[in-house]
Amino acid sequence: DAGVIQSPRHEVTEMGQEVTLRCKPISGHNSLFWYRQTMMRGLELLIYFNNNVPIDDSGMPEDRFSAKMPNASFSTLKIQPSEPRDSAVYFCASSPPRGHYEQYFGPGTRLTVT
Amino acid sequence: DAKTTQPNSMESNEEEPVHLPCNHSTISGTDYIHWYRQLPSQGPEYVIHGLTSNVNNRMASLAIAEDRKSSTLILHRATLRDAAVYYCILRDNTNAGKSTFGDGTTLTVKP
Repeated sequence: DAGVIQSPRHEVTEMGQEVTLRCKPISGHNSLFWYRQTMMRGLELLIYFNNNVPIDDSGMPEDRFSAKMPNASFSTLKIQPSEPRDSAVYFCASSPPRGHYEQYFGPGTRLTVT
Repeated sequence: DAKTTQPNSMESNEEEPVHLPCNHSTISGTDYIHWYRQLPSQGPEYVIHGLTSNVNNRMASLAIAEDRKSSTLILHRATLRDAAVYYCILRDNTNAGKSTFGDGTTLTVKP
């Protein structure tokens, strides 16, 4: 089975540009999580969805960040406008419906904002 | 979120067992104990989880103290590929699984 798929794997952009990160969860999973990882702050939960509905977005750092999940097989995390301090690795993870929220992570998107 | 405490780093020799401790003295009755590991340049990987009883799977064993205030992840025979950061987290099953990753334990395996 395919795991969580994220694209792009690497993104380099200039400050002020819009960035869109994409995630395809594991088929059949109904919870989806977006994380950000930096050396300074470690692994931070940004937002999570359950059955395509955003449950908690308290980890989203600013209004520049937004996330959507239009259907069970696709989610996006958008940063507009991007800033150098947004540089990080962004992970998407999904969880199955009949478990205890064990999460399966994607390979991550390494974002560099110059 | 209930917090966990782990040693910053541990070392092990290849092919020897490794016991990774985690303290979670403020654990609540609905919290499951989850372990993940993150190999260099990869996303975190689910390892194992449990509630009260000890658990075994193909990757590791999880030993949970009777009072649930601590747990230990056991790798029965460490290999060089087990070198990673190991995270112990508590997951509240009543809150759609929201939890916080701490700094974890960096495991070094020596040949």
